[in-house]
Amino acid sequence: EVQLVQSGTEVKKPGESLKISCQASGFTFTTHWIGWVRQLPGRGLEWMGMVYPADSDTRYSQAFEGQVTMSADESTTTAYLQWTSLKVSDTAKYFCVLSVRQQLSDWGQGTLVTVS
Amino acid sequence: EIVLTQSPTTLSLSPGERATLSCRASQSVFNYLAWYQQRPGQAPRLLIYDASIRASGTPARFSGSGSETDFTLTISSVEPEDFAVYYCLQRNSWPLYTFGQGTKLEIK
Repeated sequence: EVQLVQSGTEVKKPGESLKISCQASGFTFTTHWIGWVRQLPGRGLEWMGMVYPADSDTRYSQAFEGQVTMSADESTTTAYLQWTSLKVSDTAKYFCVLSVRQQLSDWGQGTLVTVS
Repeated sequence: EIVLTQSPTTLSLSPGERATLSCRASQSVFNYLAWYQQRPGQAPRLLIYDASIRASGTPARFSGSGSETDFTLTISSVEPEDFAVYYCLQRNSWPLYTFGQGTKLEIK
């Protein structure tokens, strides 16, 4: 069974750094893209980008290029999303998602990030 | 960038009624369109992929149709657990996916 288990709620101040995680199991981690999706409070879903664990190739949506960094650790089958300097506007729920044959098939439970 | 426009924004129905949700693409996405359901406080769940194929576990009352730029998600008889927000997603411009803005299905 595919499982994506995300790290817990974060409350941070503007300018702080943050790295949230998505621990994967139930599939071959290195040969599937892991994506990230943002959901602003009360709003819709936005595609941020994805990482390919086998070679750490990353593809970012233009809106998020340079704003976040996606990475993955094969040894712990964990994907990461990180910020070096958070803004109030980064307040959102962030989901990791598994891409299988380009279908976004399985989702993590989401990590709520509040910057205030 | 491919833009997906969903309509209506909100759909108010009673249980047992038929629901018809629309997703229009700004250019052809062939059949590379999926539908997701998101209940409050939950992660999205894949319902339909490649326009008309039900994902594992999707009830038969959900069906998808369409191609190129116009797509429809139909719920033949809405159940209480179906009241949620529905999103369409295109993968034609992989690795740049785009979502529609969502349709909220609410109880009338």
